[in-house]
Amino acid sequence: DIHMTQSPSSLSASVGDRVTITCRASQTISNYLTWCQQKPGKAPKLLIYAASSLQSGVPSRFSGSGSGAEFTLTISSLQPEDFAIYYCQQTYRIPHTFGLGTKLEI
Amino acid sequence: QVQLVQSGSELKKPGASVKVSCKASGYTFTSYAINWVRQAPGQGLEWMGWINTNTGVPTYAQGFTGRFVLSLDTSVSTTYLQINTLKAEDTAVYYCARVIGGDSVRRFDPWGQGTLVTVSS
Repeated sequence: DIHMTQSPSSLSASVGDRVTITCRASQTISNYLTWCQQKPGKAPKLLIYAASSLQSGVPSRFSGSGSGAEFTLTISSLQPEDFAIYYCQQTYRIPHTFGLGTKLEI
Repeated sequence: QVQLVQSGSELKKPGASVKVSCKASGYTFTSYAINWVRQAPGQGLEWMGWINTNTGVPTYAQGFTGRFVLSLDTSVSTTYLQINTLKAEDTAVYYCARVIGGDSVRRFDPWGQGTLVTVSS
């Protein structure tokens, strides 16, 4: 199985900050990487797919980059509604494994 | 609009079975696969498997073979997750998600709202 490692596991930030979350795959996965956001008691929501493509309806302050085995999710200017848990997921090979998540806190 | 609506919370005793449903609407059901994801209390997301809605053929992740069964009924655009011989460690929220795109643009969207299955005596 492909193992996904996210860092940091938690992050404290303020409204207006720029934050970056990193995701590393245990092997190369080209750009088969998605990012999703989960708020307490809610289902995950897709933010980014193909490593850098913004899902329709997602604010442009979210961006993704990377290829191969190292990827980043950047939020350019944090808004109050962005405080949540973020997961990366590889869709290169079954099982489509997730990272353990990054909790973004105020 | 495209949506997946899951069945409600379940409370079951150890050894029982549960069947969770995921009803699709707003698109052609057989055009997109459905994946299932487990989230234990306070934990992350764990990919369980997927079902080809065109052929009905399921594929399971290691750790989800044997007691876990994916099925579908195309007449009502619904996929099902059945868990047999329930154990306390099966307590979790179970999500279904549609998979769209192929190759690198493959992605899970939308997700169902989740179904909490609690296993307790």
